[in-house]
Amino acid sequence: QVQLVESGGGLVKPGGSLRLSCTASGFIFSDYYMSWIRQAPGRGLEWLSYITSSGSTIHDADSVKGRFTISRDNAKNSLYLQMNSLRAEDTAVYYCARTSTWYSNTWFDSWGQGTLVTVSS
Amino acid sequence: QSVLTQPPSVSAAPGQKVAISCSGSSSNIGNNYVSWYQQLPGTAPKLLIFDNNKRPSGIPDRFSGSKSGTSGTLGITGLQTGDEADYYCGAWDSSLSAVVFGGGTKLTIL
Repeated sequence: QVQLVESGGGLVKPGGSLRLSCTASGFIFSDYYMSWIRQAPGRGLEWLSYITSSGSTIHDADSVKGRFTISRDNAKNSLYLQMNSLRAEDTAVYYCARTSTWYSNTWFDSWGQGTLVTVSS
Repeated sequence: QSVLTQPPSVSAAPGQKVAISCSGSSSNIGNNYVSWYQQLPGTAPKLLIFDNNKRPSGIPDRFSGSKSGTSGTLGITGLQTGDEADYYCGAWDSSLSAVVFGGGTKLTIL
């Protein structure tokens, strides 16, 4: 079955950096777009970024453009999120999600368990 | 403020049915497709509905989706205590070039 496991979260100071990883299994990773989505404590979902199956195209939300970078290594069945210049408001659980998209339709059909990022001095 | 608007909470008794609305605009729901997610307490979200009204395999037909104009609706019939969760709608927004979500609706089973 599809499994997505995030890692790399933790406590980081404002202005610091962190790299999240997501390891996939149970499906052909290189066939799928992948996304990062976050959820601040007690808040709703916020889509951050997606990357195409080959990694050739990336699409980011305005809130993280220039600070967060999504990438993937299909040989390692892994998705990454490099987060720089972190702020207190980036504190959230970060989920990786398998992404299906066609025309004007995008949905997330499998999610990892999430990894908590806390930005605090 | 979320781009898609959902009621903060709904409630109903076991066995009853409930409808959760998701209101958007022409740049998202009006010209794109709606998906719905269920988030049980302390767990990751799970896809319930995609393409406005399609259920992934394994999702019972008690869950249904519909769309009319710039609004989508998630229907749940035969409510069970295990349905108590937060429910989120999502859609692609062509103006923002981003996936947008509703703020979530907490379903309480009375």
